Amino acid sequence: DIQLTQSPSSLSASVGDRVSISCQASQDIMIYLNWFQQKPGKAPKLLIYDSSNLETGVSSRFRGSGSGTDFTLTITSLQPEDIATYYCQQYESLPYTFGQGTKVE
Amino acid sequence: QVKLVESGGGVVLPGSSLRLSCEVSGFRFGNFATHWVRQAPGQAPEWLAVISSNGYRQEYLDSVEGRFTISRDNSRNTLFLQMNYLRPEDTAVYYCAKSNSFGVRGFFDYWGQGTRVTVSS
Repeated sequence: DIQLTQSPSSLSASVGDRVSISCQASQDIMIYLNWFQQKPGKAPKLLIYDSSNLETGVSSRFRGSGSGTDFTLTITSLQPEDIATYYCQQYESLPYTFGQGTKVE
Repeated sequence: QVKLVESGGGVVLPGSSLRLSCEVSGFRFGNFATHWVRQAPGQAPEWLAVISSNGYRQEYLDSVEGRFTISRDNSRNTLFLQMNYLRPEDTAVYYCAKSNSFGVRGFFDYWGQGTRVTVSS
């Protein structure tokens, strides 16, 4: 199975800060990497698909980059509504797997 | 608008069975694969199973294969997950998720609100 390692596991930031979250895959997953945002008691919400494509309706302050084994989610200017846990997820091969999450506080 | 609504969760004893349902609306269900994903308390989501748009292909996480069965009824716009021989470690919120594609490879672009399953003696 492909392991995804996110770092950091949590971070504290202020409104307006630039925030970056890393996701490292245990093997080459090309660009088959997605990012989800999850707020307490809610289902995960797709933010970025195929490493860098912004899902329709998602704010342009969310940016994804990377390929192969190293990926990054960047929030260019943190807003209060961005407080959540963020997960990366790969679909290069089954079983599809998620990172352990990064809590943004 | 795309909507997925899960039902069928509850509190059951170890070794019991449950059948989860996911009723969808707002899109042509028969054109897209669908997945089940679960999330144990305080944990990351865990992908469980996928079924292709026509129902001909199913894939499972190893730890549930043989105990869980994914199926669909395209005429009723409904996805199912039959769960047998439930274990305490199956305790989680179970989500159905629409795929962006018809085949088993795809990403989860819409999710339901989840249904809670608790397995406890």
